[in-house]
Amino acid sequence: EAGVAQSPRYKIIEKRQSVAFWCNPISGHATLYWYQQILGQGPKLLIQFQNNGVVDDSQLPKDRFSAERLKGVDSTLKIQPAKLEDSAVYLCASSFQIDNTEAFFGQGTRLTVV
Amino acid sequence: SQQGEEDPQALSIQEGENATMNCSYKTSINNLQWYRQNSGRGLVHLILIRSNEREKHSGRLRVTLDTSKKSSSLLITASRAADTASYFCATDVGAGNNRKLIWGLGTSLGVNP
Repeated sequence: EAGVAQSPRYKIIEKRQSVAFWCNPISGHATLYWYQQILGQGPKLLIQFQNNGVVDDSQLPKDRFSAERLKGVDSTLKIQPAKLEDSAVYLCASSFQIDNTEAFFGQGTRLTVV
Repeated sequence: SQQGEEDPQALSIQEGENATMNCSYKTSINNLQWYRQNSGRGLVHLILIRSNEREKHSGRLRVTLDTSKKSSSLLITASRAADTASYFCATDVGAGNNRKLIWGLGTSLGVNP
């Protein structure tokens, strides 16, 4: 089966610019996660979707970050405006259902804000 | 919040040796999972152990879970250079729509050929 697809793989932007990341989960997976991973740290959950509804966005900096999963399939994560501390790898993952948390990850998008 | 805490933070061994990593957590769990991350890549699921299980094997991997001590260990036997990666434990906590994975900071394993 095809894995979780993410694009772009790399992105370099200046601070205060905006950026968007795209994720297509494994077909049939109802739960989708966006994580932020800073170098040397574990993944930090930004937002979790169950189908097209948000179940957890408690750690999403909502003044600058937004995410949507309109049709319950693919998802976009946006940062506007970006700050230097947003430099990180943004990982998308999916799992079959919310009560089956074995997660399948994409390759991630490495964001550098200069 | 970080529930899982792995130790050691970094481990360097010779090819053929065994590598042991530990994970401690604070709250009750549904299951505990171990993942591997190669440099610059996404995470790959290795093994899942349920809260009512004590030990599980998968190839060269052996995972133990002690719910009384709220700890788990991952043993990689006969390590290979290709095992060089970061290893993370993730605890599955909560119920219903509040169910989530909480991640540790990881152990960086280096296997020298």
